[in-house]
Amino acid sequence: DGGITQSPKYLFRKEGQNVTLSCEQNLNHDAMYWYRQDPGQGLRLIYYSQIVNDFQKGDIAEGYSVSREKKESFPLTVTSAQKNPTAFYLCASSRLSGNTGELFFGEGSRLTVL
Amino acid sequence: SQQGEEDPQALSIQEGENATMNCSYKTSINNLQWYRQNSGRGLVHLILIRSNEREKHSGRLRVTLDTSKKSSSLLITASRAADTASYFCATDAGDYKLSFGAGTTVTVRA
Repeated sequence: DGGITQSPKYLFRKEGQNVTLSCEQNLNHDAMYWYRQDPGQGLRLIYYSQIVNDFQKGDIAEGYSVSREKKESFPLTVTSAQKNPTAFYLCASSRLSGNTGELFFGEGSRLTVL
Repeated sequence: SQQGEEDPQALSIQEGENATMNCSYKTSINNLQWYRQNSGRGLVHLILIRSNEREKHSGRLRVTLDTSKKSSSLLITASRAADTASYFCATDAGDYKLSFGAGTTVTVRA
């Protein structure tokens, strides 16, 4: 079935460690996105990419990095520079057109810093 | 920045009743979308309404858009226990990304 797969679902990290969250899609979508969600809050955009080998910072990019070497993959690295990384991370993808259409989301990765 | 703001933050209704939630936004948009999120899960797209549309229906969902007031509403009719979730509006301001509000948490009591 087509969709977006995020892994791992749960991740624990010690302070000072970098972690990488995986996001893979088989929908043949050009655009991919990473959002962060804190308890009781909405989604805040971290990074987005409209095409392979290109990506743009969202509203809260500090302390995060991404790569887009393949169309189907958009991994997110949470670096030690991110001061408050404990959150729920959501990856999404969409067809690229003149307007931003429907986003398809993965099931999320919950990161806890110990 | 979060473009949309939902109101109310939380809503509790009896099964069979209607649920209405509102979304206000700040800048001009190409379209506005509504999503549902069950606890601990990813978001699921419900409906998209374009800036030149005023009302749209999908099953038990009815969405309105008033661009002069920069607001939208989502109505869920004849609610069911399975409608218990958080609902988010998201706006496309023409910059190839969506901005989400903080959401409305809906609880449907049996």
